[in-house]
Amino acid sequence: GIQVEQSPPDLILQEGANSTLRCNFSDSVNNLQWFHQNPWGQLINLFYIPSGTKQNGRLSATTVATERYSLLYISSSQTTDSGVYFCAVDRHVRFGAGTRLTVKP
Amino acid sequence: DVKVTQSSRYLVKRTGEKVFLECVQDMDHENMFWYRQDPGLGLRLIYFSYDVKMKEKGDIPEGYSVSREKKERFSLILESASTNQTSMYLCASSLAKNIQYFGAGTRLSVL
Repeated sequence: GIQVEQSPPDLILQEGANSTLRCNFSDSVNNLQWFHQNPWGQLINLFYIPSGTKQNGRLSATTVATERYSLLYISSSQTTDSGVYFCAVDRHVRFGAGTRLTVKP
Repeated sequence: DVKVTQSSRYLVKRTGEKVFLECVQDMDHENMFWYRQDPGLGLRLIYFSYDVKMKEKGDIPEGYSVSREKKERFSLILESASTNQTSMYLCASSLAKNIQYFGAGTRLSVL
């Protein structure tokens, strides 16, 4: 099946900093999503973005399907952004291992 | 708002018991999914259903079965629970080629 790799595995930021999370995938996809899992375990969909760029407040995402990667940008990070960020691809919605983000006050 | 409801938040069962995990969604979604999440392993797909009575195996179907008799309900069945099935189980639903919504999860302990 398709392989999904996320980097970095862990990220520690000071509040107010910006960050970029990356998702590489091994084959062409027509479904790519970014999720945030909060400290209580709830998974929330951030973006459905098989191609192109989308923005939602301080978050934005870009997928370059031809080069098989997607980026999630977090600007002016806040402590509430802490948690694990996952990308997931394919009709079976296969997940990467995630990036654990810690934002310190 | 889309709601995906899992029947139990915490569950404790004994080895060898038959275990049912229930998931209900209220948005008429075609697709429903069962995952398990373990530390260091991320989310792994167990089964996927794209319509009533239709199912596809995911990456780790061994030891599990599923049932989808009605569009809104997708059940995960552990025929004979084992300790290595202790995990967090997550249900999700979606329309085709659209965003996925997750339930709050069921933390299952098999003793």
